[in-house]
Amino acid sequence: DAGVTQSPTHLIKTRGQQVTLRCSPKSGHDTVSWYQQALGQGPQFIFQYYEEEERQRGNFPDRFSGHQFPNYSSELNVNALLLGDSALYLCASSPNLSGSKETQYFGPGTRLLVL
Amino acid sequence: AQSVTQLGSHVSVSEGALVLLRCNYSSSVPPYLFWYVQYPNQGLQLLLKYTTGATLVKGINGFEAEFKKSETSFHLTKPSAHMSDAAEYFCAVTLLGDNNDMRFGAGTRLTVKP
Repeated sequence: DAGVTQSPTHLIKTRGQQVTLRCSPKSGHDTVSWYQQALGQGPQFIFQYYEEEERQRGNFPDRFSGHQFPNYSSELNVNALLLGDSALYLCASSPNLSGSKETQYFGPGTRLLVL
Repeated sequence: AQSVTQLGSHVSVSEGALVLLRCNYSSSVPPYLFWYVQYPNQGLQLLLKYTTGATLVKGINGFEAEFKKSETSFHLTKPSAHMSDAAEYFCAVTLLGDNNDMRFGAGTRLTVKP
């Protein structure tokens, strides 16, 4: 089992550009969540996808959007990048069996640097 | 909304000493509580979690945590620190029901001195 995988591992963009990050969940998992972890801080919840729909969203602007595919993989898109978007972006997957008490398994993250 | 506070951004212990990392939570309904560890340049790995039942939870690598409702705490302990325990530790909370919004603390960096 490969666990949760994310690509790319690192990315450098300039202000105003757009970026797409990708995530493949752990085998058997159908729910994908995305988090932003700024340097020296804990992860912050961006949104969660289940059955190809955004189920819940944290306090992030509409510049952050996502998608889930029929195979449960997911993308995070960020438009009009700001310097403050520089962070480690983590994807987590879980089974939708018992809701919020299910363990979320995290990928290694994509480190985004906006110049 | 639920939240967690981790007391102490940095904790330093000697190898073989007790590890105590503090976490207090705030929620209006019964919480689910988690401890994750993050090694440099890696994602988060689950150490242990509390959902219901026994309030003393044992996890991997010799760690354990006790859910104390009266103190709204979920402190992480390990009797004897090992050099390999040096990492960043995060406490997190979600709520009973459909709320899948996991809230993390700011993290505690554990240093283990030889």
